[in-house]
Amino acid sequence: DTAVSQTPKYLVTQMGNDKSIKCEQNLGHDTMYWYKQDSKKFLKIMFSYNNKELIINETVPNRFSPKSPDKAHLNLHINSLELGDSAVYFCASSHSARGHEQYFGPGTRLTVT
Amino acid sequence: QQQVKQSPQSLIVQKGGIPIINCAYENTAFDYFPWYQQFPGKGPALLIAIRPDVSEKKEGRFTISFNKSAKQFSLHIMDSQPGDSATYFCAAFFGGSYIPTFGRGTSLIVHP
Repeated sequence: DTAVSQTPKYLVTQMGNDKSIKCEQNLGHDTMYWYKQDSKKFLKIMFSYNNKELIINETVPNRFSPKSPDKAHLNLHINSLELGDSAVYFCASSHSARGHEQYFGPGTRLTVT
Repeated sequence: QQQVKQSPQSLIVQKGGIPIINCAYENTAFDYFPWYQQFPGKGPALLIAIRPDVSEKKEGRFTISFNKSAKQFSLHIMDSQPGDSATYFCAAFFGGSYIPTFGRGTSLIVHP
């Protein structure tokens, strides 16, 4: 009965590959987010989707493309992976009326070699 | 200025001590200030939050103190326990926005 789940938990891949990370929430929320946490643990928002529509798109390379098939899912596809993409990626969700109260998933540690 | 400056970077206390973590901000348009707790291998979890019209908020052993004129807020953990050992992040949201600006985090270790 995990609230926000992500798969995979670990992802090791080579430069130039394309990979996806999946996120699902069962909280009934209508807004979902992707965050990146770098090696120094700095957290920064990347994207936000509300009711399957992109509402926040911070300065992120266009190699990163979020896709939301429905309100409960938000996937992150990354093309042409680079060494600097190595980080922990967190999915989060909230209700649109209470967007400050975001629930985070367990994270996906991406390592690009 | 969208920065939120957090200090100290790391903190070690004995069980029962009261660790204090501080954050400072510049932009007065921020109007919601949460603290998150993150254990190794887990995602951040919302711990407690405050708005600028309140000077203090307490939830269990966790207290936020807010100084609007100084543009500072802090987290106090009363009677700290080894299970409180984690990384703590402060954050700030602009009014009407759900984009948080995070501090750099404080690694807290509570020795038994």
